[in-house]
This record gives sequence, C-alpha cells and structure tokens, in this order.
Amino acid sequence: QVQLQESGPGLVKPSGTLSLTCAVSGGSISSSNWWSWIRQPPGKGLEWIGEIYHSGSTNYNPSLKSRVTISVDKSKNQFSLKLSSVTAADTAVYYCARKGAIAAAEDFYHYWGQGTLVTVSS
Amino acid sequence: QSVLTQPPSVSGAPGQRVTISCTGSSSNIGAGYDVHWYQQLPGTAPKLLIYGNSNRPSGVPDRFSGSKSGTSASLAITGLQAEDEADYYCQSYDSSLSEVFGTGTKVTVL
Repeated sequence: QVQLQESGPGLVKPSGTLSLTCAVSGGSISSSNWWSWIRQPPGKGLEWIGEIYHSGSTNYNPSLKSRVTISVDKSKNQFSLKLSSVTAADTAVYYCARKGAIAAAEDFYHYWGQGTLVTVSS
Repeated sequence: QSVLTQPPSVSGAPGQRVTISCTGSSSNIGAGYDVHWYQQLPGTAPKLLIYGNSNRPSGVPDRFSGSKSGTSASLAITGLQAEDEADYYCQSYDSSLSEVFGTGTKVTVL
C-alpha cells in the first residue's frame, strides 16, 4: 500500500518561497506514475499545482507556472515543491498525490497524503 | 477559477437519491477526457470515489454511480446515508490547463 507524507514549514513570510517535500513509502517513486501537488485554500476547492515523472519531466498549472518548481529525488524516494513569491492567497492545505498507471491512462488520484497547512503571513 | 462547474450544495433525506452535476466544455469533458469523482470528509484528504466516468474502486459502495454525456458528468448517490455528508469534487483534463477540478458540492443529509 503506497503511502505519501508531506513535510515542511507551516508558516512562510510574504514574498518568500514555500518549500514542501512528499516522502513516498510502500512503493517506488520510479514506478510508472506521475506524482502531483494539489492545494486547497481554507474553505475552498481543490487546485492542481503540477506533476513530475521520475525522469524529471514536469507539467505545471499555467496560472502558477512562473512560480512553481517540482523536483524528484530518487535516492530518497521523494519529490518536492517550491513556490516562490508567495502571498496570502497561497495559504492552503497542500496535498501530494499519485496518479494511476500511465500505461492504462489512469489520470486519477488513488493515493493522497494527509495534507499540510501552509500559512503565508508575516 | 475552475473550468468545471458544480452546484454549491445538494441535500436529501436518508434513503433518497441525490445527483451532482459537473459541467465542463469542449476543451475538457466534451473533448472526451474521463471524469473522476472524489469524496472529502471534513478535515481529511479527498478519497477516490469514481474513476473513468463510471467505475468504482474496490471498497466503494454501489450506492455511488457516475455517468458522462456530452460536456457534463454526474454523480448519483442512492439510498443516501448520514455518512455520505461530505464535499464532492469532479476532476478531468483540460487541453489548455491540464488537470482541473470542479468547484465542489457539499452534500447535506437532512
């Protein structure tokens, strides 16, 4: 059973960079799946941030693309998110998640982390 | 703002049937991309409920069903139960924005 666990600072100052890591257990990050970041502002809906494949290929939400970097560390079986120039609007619960099998075109999320709240405030 | 529109809320008495719509466009659902549904209980991560428009993962009760037609999709809950009270989100792919989620629907059991 694949498990995902987010970690990182819960408080980031405005104009700073938000950095989170998602540790993967029970499976390999080198499997044939895309690994994603999704966020949810308090009381609001889900927003897809972007995804990465173990090869390093990435796809980003166009609305966030200029500020987002997602990277993978195969040696640690984890992937990371960096979001720069943050404002209060970036305050949200951040989830990491795994898409289904690429070969089967399974573009849904069966596995999710528990989520971590990141607040942007001075 | 999401490109998939859902009603903000739906409600029903225990045992009743409720449906949640997910309205998209020709660049997402109408383009033939699959729709998936998630259930989110308060304070928890979303849980996959329906994938590939109408398929249920193992362990999801058959009270939940999904369908898709044209530029829209629907989630139906039959025999509504108290534990179904949650937020529900649809998800699809948009040719201009990549993965997209619906605006979300809160289901209330009266």
